[in-house]
This record gives sequence, structure tokens and C-alpha cells, in this order.
Amino acid sequence: NAGVTQTPKFQVLKTGQSMTLQCAQDMNHEYMSWYRQDPGMGLRLIHYSVGAGITDQGEVPNGYNVSRSTTEDFPLRLLSAAPSQTSVYFCASSYLTNTEAFFGQGTRLTVV
Amino acid sequence: QQPVQSPQAVILREGEDAVINCSSSKALYSVHWYRQKHGEAPVFLMILLKGGEQKGHDKISASFNEKKQQSSLYLTASQLSYSGTYFCGTYNAGNQFYFGTGTSLTVIP
Repeated sequence: NAGVTQTPKFQVLKTGQSMTLQCAQDMNHEYMSWYRQDPGMGLRLIHYSVGAGITDQGEVPNGYNVSRSTTEDFPLRLLSAAPSQTSVYFCASSYLTNTEAFFGQGTRLTVV
Repeated sequence: QQPVQSPQAVILREGEDAVINCSSSKALYSVHWYRQKHGEAPVFLMILLKGGEQKGHDKISASFNEKKQQSSLYLTASQLSYSGTYFCGTYNAGNQFYFGTGTSLTVIP
């Protein structure tokens, strides 16, 4: 099992550029989520999905879009990158809420 | 809605014990515990689903006091491998997960 595969591992963007962070899991998990981790701020929920075709906003959704067309994939789109989006991004999946979550290796994003 | 953890940081010598506390101003329906080593992703430790529940494996255990909206993580006879940042977390009624503020634990020889 590959678990949760997140790409890319590192990315540098210029202000105003857009990009998509990819997240895929092969465990048939229903719940998937994206977090950002900033120094001193811990991990904060950006968007989440409880199943294919269903997405919802988390704590810090502004500037990000998601979609869930399949159970396996949950990409995160940055619409117009800003320096405030410089962070480490983690994708996670779990069978349901209140079950063990598995995390991708993270994406270190720098916006200049 | 973010749970608050205490202490923020702790330094232990190998073999010493530590307690990390997690408390919420809102109702806690469950408590999750994760450990994150520097530069890595968080790794699941355990979930407590019911008030009064206690769980543990190896020398790491946790308790959950639903009425006090608190949980505690107990690390006994700490090892160097226990170093990292520990996070509690919980879901709200809307399926949103909130990580706690984090506790940095350093074990020294």
C-alpha cells in the first residue's frame, strides 16, 4: 500500500501564480482533508471532504479550492498565490471521522 | 475552537515521565493524539471516544474526562524516540477537525 501520496514535495511560486497540490490515497478512505502548518500556529484545516462529490470549508479556506471527483483523489488549488500562503501543506485521509488519520509527506510551499 | 495544550514545551532526561494536557472550551466528543517529528508528517497515537476511557500502548497512555472537557497524555520512562511535538485534536459537530496548540517534547540522554 502506498498510503497517502502527496506531490510535489517542494514548490516555489511567484505572487499571483496558480497551482494544484495533488493528494491521492489507495485505502478507500471516505474522509480526506488538507491542513496548513505555520510556525507557532500548529495545523489548521483548510478544506475537507466526507466522500466523493462532497467538500466543505475548514478553518482557513480563503484562497484555496478543492474538488473530490473520485474517492482516491483530493487536489488543492491555489487560485492566485500570495506570500501569506507560504506554509507546509499536509493532506490526510481516514476511513471515517474518529478513525486513525494517515498523512502525506507534506509540501513545503514558498510564495515570493 | 482550538484545544489548548499545556505545557507548551518540556525537556526530559531519558527514563523520566511526562504528562501533556489538552483542554477545550467547547464540548469534547472525542480526543485524538498525534506525534510529529521535526520535518515529518504527524503520526497517529490513539483515539479516545468515550468519557472515562483510558488507552495505552508501550509506555504511552491517555485518559479522557468528558465532563471536564480534558484529556491527558502520559509518557512513562521516556526514550529518545519520544522526542517531537505532540498534538491533541477533536472533531466538532460539523466534521471539522481542530488540532491543539501543540507541546514540544525533547528527551535528552
